[in-house]
Amino acid sequence: DGGITQSPKYLFRKEGQNVTLSCEQNLNHDAMYWYRQDPGQGLRLIYYSQIVNDFQKGDIAEGYSVSREKKESFPLTVTSAQKNPTAFYLCASRGTRRGYTFGSGTRLTVV
Amino acid sequence: KQEVTQIPAALSVPEGENLVLNCSFTDSAIYNLQWFRQDPGKGLTSLLLIQSSQREQTSGRLNASLDKSSGRSTLYIAASQPGDSATYLCAVSVSGGGADGLTFGKGTHLIIQP
Repeated sequence: DGGITQSPKYLFRKEGQNVTLSCEQNLNHDAMYWYRQDPGQGLRLIYYSQIVNDFQKGDIAEGYSVSREKKESFPLTVTSAQKNPTAFYLCASRGTRRGYTFGSGTRLTVV
Repeated sequence: KQEVTQIPAALSVPEGENLVLNCSFTDSAIYNLQWFRQDPGKGLTSLLLIQSSQREQTSGRLNASLDKSSGRSTLYIAASQPGDSATYLCAVSVSGGGADGLTFGKGTHLIIQP
């Protein structure tokens, strides 16, 4: 079945460390997105990519970086510059009729 | 800037009741509106997608309506079941202007009592 795979499901980061969250899709979608979810807040857009080798900042891009070298993959790096990285991270892709499909998420915790 | 509001924030009803979840948005220039379900600690599952030119969509016991001019959508759940307990999220897709992505409401946390 087609879908979006996020890994790992749980991730722990030490202070000052960079970590990378994986997002892979086999839906043949061009556009991919990263969202952050915090308790009591709506999902907020971090970065998006409408095509390979191109990406744009969302509403809360500071402290994050992405790459889009392949259509299927859109990894997110949480850098040491992100001062409050503990959150639930969701990857999505956009298909026909501009409907969105989401992955199962990665929960990142600072230890 | 587009803002999405969902009312109520939480709802608890006995099994078997019909219920309505509300979503409003401030900018009517949307491409479409999508309702999602989220179970605790899980990702989002798409329930219904309504294009801006449509008035409603139905899937099983779920019916979503869209009134673009007034900036409102409702999700109707018929004959609720305990398995419907989850957080329901409404999101709108922006239209044009180079922007992209979904703008989400904060969700309605629904509990169906057995």
